[in-house]
Amino acid sequence: AQSVTQLDSHVSVSEGTPVLLRCNYSSSYSPSLFWYVQHPNKGLQLLLKYTSAATLVKGINGFEAEFKKSETSFHLTKPSAHMSDAAEYFCVVSYNQAGTALIFGKGTTLSVSS
Amino acid sequence: DSGVTQTPKHLITATGQRVTLRCSPRSGDLSVYWYQQSLDQGLQFLIHYYNGEERAKGNILERFSAQQFPDLHSELNLSSLELGDSALYFCASSVGTGDGETQYFGPGTRLLVL
Repeated sequence: AQSVTQLDSHVSVSEGTPVLLRCNYSSSYSPSLFWYVQHPNKGLQLLLKYTSAATLVKGINGFEAEFKKSETSFHLTKPSAHMSDAAEYFCVVSYNQAGTALIFGKGTTLSVSS
Repeated sequence: DSGVTQTPKHLITATGQRVTLRCSPRSGDLSVYWYQQSLDQGLQFLIHYYNGEERAKGNILERFSAQQFPDLHSELNLSSLELGDSALYFCASSVGTGDGETQYFGPGTRLLVL
C-alpha cells in the first residue's frame, strides 16, 4: 500500500534562511511523488513532482526535492525562505490501479518570520 | 487559477439534508477526482471518474455519490447530511489516468452542516 509520512507538523524559519520539510514514503512499487502547497483559504497548487526521471526535481518558486530510494525520502527544500512561503505543504504519493488516487500526508505548516 | 471550477464556493445546510456540488474540469481533461479535507481526517480521496466511467473509489460513504456527465463536468451528491460531513470538498482534473499525471485542483466548496 502507498503512504506518506510528513515528519514535522509545524516548521518555523526566519526570512532568508533555508527551508527543509521532511517526507518519507512507503510504496510497493516505484512511486510517483508530489509536493502540493495550500495557502490560507486557497486551493491546492502543485509545487513539483517526481516520476522516476531525475532524482533531483526542481519546482516553482525556488523549491526543489530529492528522491532518495535508499532512505525512502522525498524532502522539500528551498535555499532562502520568503514571507510568501508561509502555507501548508503536503507530500503526496500517487496510487494507481484501475484508477488513480492521490494519498496525502497530514501536512506541514510552514511559518516564516521577519 | 488552475482552470478547474467548482460551485458553490460555500454551502450551509442542516442535518438530514441533501446537497449537490458541481465541478467543471480543465478544458481537455477527461479525469475528474473528488477529495474531502477535514480537520480530523485530513485530505482524503473519495472517487475518480474518467470519461464518464467510475475508475476508483476511496473512503466515500454510501450516503455520497458522484457522476460525470457527457460534457465531462461532475457532480458530487451528499445526502442525509451529518455534522461530521462539514468539510472542504475539492475537485481535481487531469488529462488521463496515468500514475504520474498532475492533478489540478479547484478552489473547493466549503460545506457547513448545522
